[in-house]
Amino acid sequence: AQKVTQAQTEISVVEKEDVTLDCVYETRDTTYYLFWYKQPPSGELVFLIRRNSFDEQNEISGRYSWNFQKSTSSFNFTITASQVVDSAVYFCALSEAGNFGNEKLTFGTGTRLTIIP
Amino acid sequence: GAGVSQSPRYKVAKRGQDVALRCDPISGHVSLFWYQQALGQGPEFLTYFQNEAQLDKSGLPSDRFFAERPEGSVSTLKIQRTQQEDSAVYLCASSSVARTDTQYFGPGTRLTVL
Repeated sequence: AQKVTQAQTEISVVEKEDVTLDCVYETRDTTYYLFWYKQPPSGELVFLIRRNSFDEQNEISGRYSWNFQKSTSSFNFTITASQVVDSAVYFCALSEAGNFGNEKLTFGTGTRLTIIP
Repeated sequence: GAGVSQSPRYKVAKRGQDVALRCDPISGHVSLFWYQQALGQGPEFLTYFQNEAQLDKSGLPSDRFFAERPEGSVSTLKIQRTQQEDSAVYLCASSSVARTDTQYFGPGTRLTVL
């Protein structure tokens, strides 16, 4: 069975500091997909990134970057120069390429990030 | 274009009442998912539709939960004889036909059972 662990329940940093959110996953499949979603106070899950298991290249998008390491089964997310608008709950999720044509997501328990002005 | 919409946004039910939650997916999206998110937890899978076919309902917690998508577009999640433990946010997501394509979520329906 697949599992996602986000060990950091809550993190608080002062604005403009860098912060890294950890994600460790477990799966028996060789083909799988990893995601990060942001859930602001409004409650809607906002898609941030999707990576497949064959692409270990790190990705940068503005102040956001992701570090995917299959050797440690980790998919960490770093926010550089954090801003108050980054305050939210962040979820890491895993999907396996199964037989139904589109597979369910397994989520971690989330990390609540608070950026202090 | 419009995103996934859900209604109502908030629902309060007395224990034992039946409720119906609606999801309008992104136009043209073939796949539709329902998730349940308890307070302080990550979303948990309930059921999955491909067009009108319910291909996976392994996450439905009991036979009181029923979902349908009769015309392959709008979906309804129905909970019969609600219990307090059903209190949660119910999230709907849709994605295109591509295998493991990105799921886009609606704002959710917060259900409170008194």
